[in-house]
This record gives sequence, C-alpha cells and structure tokens, in this order.
Amino acid sequence: NAGVTQTPKFQVLKTGQSMTLQCAQDMNHNSMYWYRQDPGMGLRLIYYSASEGTTDKGEVPNGYNVSRLNKREFSLRLESAAPSQTSVYFCASRQNTDTQYFGPGTRLTVL
Amino acid sequence: KQEVTQIPAALSVPEGENLVLNCSFTDSAIYNLQWFRQDPGKGLTSLLLIQSSQREQTSGRLNASLDKSSGRSTLYIAASQPGDSATYLCAVRGFEASGSARQLTFGSGTQLTVLP
Repeated sequence: NAGVTQTPKFQVLKTGQSMTLQCAQDMNHNSMYWYRQDPGMGLRLIYYSASEGTTDKGEVPNGYNVSRLNKREFSLRLESAAPSQTSVYFCASRQNTDTQYFGPGTRLTVL
Repeated sequence: KQEVTQIPAALSVPEGENLVLNCSFTDSAIYNLQWFRQDPGKGLTSLLLIQSSQREQTSGRLNASLDKSSGRSTLYIAASQPGDSATYLCAVRGFEASGSARQLTFGSGTQLTVLP
C-alpha cells in the first residue's frame, strides 16, 4: 500500500515550456486534489476531483489544467510555464469527510 | 471566506517542555478540523482529525482541542522531543451553501524547533 505517489520529485522548466505532474493513489478514494505550497502562504487548492469523471476549480486554477484519468490517477498540466508557477506541488486524496492523505510533493522551478 | 491563522509562525523550546500550538478560524460552521505535520522537503502527515461534534482528540503525546464557538483549536504536545521538530499545519473543512463539505482551508503553519 503506497498511499499517494507523485512523479517527478523535482523539475526545472524554462518559461513557456509545458509539463504534466502525475499523481496516483491506491486507497480507492473518490476525491483527489492538487495544491501548491509557497513560502509563508500555506497550501492553496488548484483543482480537485470529487469523483471519477468530475473536476472543479479551486482557489488558484489559472495556468493549470487537470485530468482525472481514472479513479486512481489525477494529473496536473502546465501548458505554458511561468516563473510565478515556481512552487512545491502536492497531490492528496480522501474518502468522504475523513482524513486527507498527501503525496511527497513535486518541487518545480520555472526559469 | 474562511481564513485560518496560526500564531506564532515559529517556536523554539527546550526538550521536555510541554507546548501548545494555536489555530484560529473565522467561520465557525465547520465539518471538521485537521492537524498535519510537515518535515522539511516532505509531504504532509495527518496527526489528528476532530469532527465538528467533538471537543478533542488524543494520539500518544498529542492532544487537539476544538472550540467552534470561539473559532479556535489548540494542539498540545507533551514532553517535547527533538524528533517533534517540524512545521505543524492546521486545516479547516467548512460547508458549501448546498450543505456539502467544502474543501480544506489551511493555515500557514507553525515551525517548531525542539532543542536537545
């Protein structure tokens, strides 16, 4: 039982490049989330998926797209990376109103 | 809009001391409140989850309390150890207008250092 896994762990992009962050969970959770964490600002929700086949915007969705590929996998795509998207990205999952479980994070730098 | 505040941003204590971390939130209509621990360069680990109907939860040396009416929660750590050094985050899950659960709103955390 690996919990929530994320790839890659680290990534450096140039402005304008695109990339996809991958997330998978093996706990059969319905809900999955993408957050970004910036110094002194806590975690902010980018997008979430309450169930397979649905996605919704969070607090800071601009510049991102998501895909809930199946119940296990939820990916985050940056179509044209900007320096303001330099951050640590966390994926999470949960079932109903229970505990939320987090992945180890992806540290992204956009030059 | 729910706002979650954690003060202080950083705290340093000697080993063995009992300590309290504070969390305050602006909207008292909540589903639950969760405390997380984050080690440097790592993800978040859930410590305690308090449902809105509960007053406190305990796990080992940790005790979390919830006072919805005042919009406050505390995380009590007994007999602190250097291994407790980490950032502790509080997160609140509220209600949407429809009555369904809202997404988590996080505080910015308290960075705890326990000195040997």
